[in-house]
This record gives sequence, structure tokens and C-alpha cells, in this order.
Amino acid sequence: EAGVAQSPRYKIIEKRQSVAFWCNPISGHATLYWYQQILGQGPKLLIQFQNNGVVDDSQLPKDRFSAERLKGVDSTLKIQPAKLEDSAVYLCASSLGGLAGVETQYFGPGTRLLVL
Amino acid sequence: QKEVEQNSGPLSVPEGAIASLNCTYSDRGSQSFFWYRQYSGKSPELIMFIYSNGDKEDGRFTAQLNKASQYVSLLIRDSQPSDSATYLCAGGWGKLQFGAGTQVVVTP
Repeated sequence: EAGVAQSPRYKIIEKRQSVAFWCNPISGHATLYWYQQILGQGPKLLIQFQNNGVVDDSQLPKDRFSAERLKGVDSTLKIQPAKLEDSAVYLCASSLGGLAGVETQYFGPGTRLLVL
Repeated sequence: QKEVEQNSGPLSVPEGAIASLNCTYSDRGSQSFFWYRQYSGKSPELIMFIYSNGDKEDGRFTAQLNKASQYVSLLIRDSQPSDSATYLCAGGWGKLQFGAGTQVVVTP
């Protein structure tokens, strides 16, 4: 079974530029998560999708970050414009999508973003 | 602010010894707890999860949950150099909160 796929793996941009990340979850997983992990910290949830609907985006900086999952499979996360503090690893995870509780999440390899 | 707290370490463990990692959480509504291992430069990978009070064993790993005291622990028996990594504790209900992780260094 293929795991969570992400691209690109690395990205270097200058501040105020825009960037987009792509994620393809494990086949059949209805729930998709985007996390931001700053060096030395644990992952912080940015947004959670159930199929193509948003479940939680309370920690997404909506003035500069956006995310979509139009067909309930792939997802893109965009930052526009980027700030220096956005330098982090952006992790995509997926889970089966049960009705309650917290499910096991499986992480992709991540995208390392450096904003100069 | 619902938080999950872990000692950052590093926790130095001789090869073959038991590594003991602890985690506390503030949200009494948390029902599910996960331990992830993260090698440097890699993404988190699931070690095990626990939902019920008590112990759960999986190979060399044992997770312990005490909901009354709001702590979760992970024991790694017969520690190997390949166990050197950062261990992330996560818990929640509907949404996972991650701790900052404990770095474990297994010395030969």
C-alpha cells in the first residue's frame, strides 16, 4: 500500500513570494491533515479535511495561508505572501475517516520550506 | 490552551537498557494517545496508540496510560542504537495535540 505522497520535498523562496505544496493521501483515506512543524517543536495542525469539507482550520493563518481539497483526494496548501517565520516542515497526514474520536494518522515525508 | 508536555531531553540510554519517556496532558477530554518516532530530517512514524487505562505492549515497546493523573508513558526495552530518535507524544479527541518531543540517544 502506497503511503502519503508530498511534493516538492524542498523549497527555498524569498519573503513575500508565494509557494504551494501538494499532498496525495493513502488510498481510501477520507481525512487529510496539514501540519506545520517548526524546528524543535511538535507538529501543529493547520487544517483538517473530511473528504472535501473543512473540519478544523482554527490555527490556519487565513490572511496568508489557504488550502483546498476539491475532489476529496489530493490537497494543496498555499502560502501567499510568505514570511520568514513560515520556515518549517509542512507535513501532510491522512487517516481512514471514522465518525468519532481520534484515528491513527499516517504522515507523508514532508516539505521543507526555507524563507529567506 | 490544551497542551501536551514532554521533557525535551536528551535522554541518554545505554544499549540494552530500558528507556522511559513521560508525557502529561492538560485536556481531560483527551481519549486517544499516540507515540510517534521521528528520526532527524524524517517525518513522524507511528509506534503505538493507547485508549484505555493501563499498559499496552507491542514488541519492545510498552505504553502506559493513567487518565486520572493525566499522563502517558512509553517504555523501550532492550534499547538499540536504531532507537535513537525524537519521540513525540500526541493526544486528543477529534484533534491531536502534539508534544515537542523527547530526544533519545542510545549509546553503545
